Order: sequence, then C-alpha cells, then structure tokens
Amino acid sequence: AQTVTQSQPEMSVQEAETVTLSCTYDTSESDYYLFWYKQPPSRQMILVIRQEAYKQQNATENRFSVNFQKAAKSFSLKISDSQLGDAAMYFCAYRSARGGAQKLVFGQGTRLTINP
Amino acid sequence: NAGVTQTPKFQVLKTGQSMTLQCAQDMNHNSMYWYRQDPGMGLRLIYYSASEGTTDKGEVPNGYNVSRLNKREFSLRLESAAPSQTSVYFCASSEAYLLGGPRGGELFFGEGSRLTVL
Repeated sequence: AQTVTQSQPEMSVQEAETVTLSCTYDTSESDYYLFWYKQPPSRQMILVIRQEAYKQQNATENRFSVNFQKAAKSFSLKISDSQLGDAAMYFCAYRSARGGAQKLVFGQGTRLTINP
Repeated sequence: NAGVTQTPKFQVLKTGQSMTLQCAQDMNHNSMYWYRQDPGMGLRLIYYSASEGTTDKGEVPNGYNVSRLNKREFSLRLESAAPSQTSVYFCASSEAYLLGGPRGGELFFGEGSRLTVL
C-alpha cells in the first residue's frame, strides 16, 4: 500500500517570502500522480497543483511550484511571495495511475502560518 | 453552482446511536467518495463509488456503510456510533477517469460534517 508522509506539522513564513513544504511517499508503482491540496480555515479542500510522475518537468501554477524528485520519492511545494491568504493546512496526496476512481492517499498535513 | 453539498454540518451523537450523512453533487460526476479527517492523520478514505451502482471499501471502512442512491447522491451510515468515529467527514466527487490538463483528477469536496460521539 502506498503511504504519504509530511514531516513538518507546522511551518511559518514572513509575508512576501518563500516557503517550501516537504512531502515524501512510498510506492512500488512507476506511474502515478501527485497533488497538493490547500485547506483554509473554512475547511474547504482546494486543489493547488498536480504532477504526473511520467513528466520530468516540474509543475507550476502562478506562485506555486513543485520540486518532484522521482528517484527520491520526494514532492515538495514551494510558495513564492507568500500572501496572508496562503495561510492554511496543506496536504500532499498520491494517486495510482491504475483504476478509474480518483482514490487519493493523503499525508498528515502541514499547517502554514503567514506572519505579516 | 452548489458543487458538493453535505448535511448535516454538525452532529452530536451518543454511543450506540445511528445516523446517516447525506451527500449530493450537481456536477454530473460518476465517482463519489467519503473521507474522514482526524488531527495528525490527514484524510483517510472510508468508502468510494466509482460509478452509479457500485461501492467499494477504502482504507478505514469498519463501522460504516454506504449507499449510492443515484448518480447525484452518496450517503454514509453509522449503524452504532462509537467515540472513535468522532471526526470531520468529507464527501467528494470527481470524473470517473483521470482527465488531462493541470486539474485532471481533481476531487471536488463538500464543506465537511463535524461529528462528535459521546
């Protein structure tokens, strides 16, 4: 079974600075997808970014980018120019390429605080 | 658009009581899911329905049952609630198969239901 580990329960960053959230995963599969979801205090889960394992190029979405290291099974999220609205719980998630349903395996989450 | 709607938002139960969490989506998605969220453990999949008429166990199915009533609705039932089932429950929906594009495979979540079992 696949597992996802986020070793940083809490992180904080000054507004406008850059922060990196870590995620590692364990799988024997070669084809899979990785996601970062954001959960603000409203509890609503919001997709931030997605990475296909077969793509060497790291995904980017505006101020959000990932560092995907397939051999190391590492998938970190970098947030540039941090804003107060980025304060949230961030979850890393894994999905096997097999099967039809989007069954995600989530990490434990990292709570990100933005200091003004 | 309403997206994914869960009811109730909050519920307090006594040990041994039963209850059903309701979930409905208006995005014409084929697949639906129930997750529970506990502090320090992230979200864990309880049950899912890949398509109308099918249901399958996830990572933590014990103590729960589900019903895929139709394409829109997917309910979660606790037959005899236990304190260990105190949690926040999320319903989600998605397309059945992974689609291309930057948001392919995205799960759309409801706002969550906080359940306390005393």
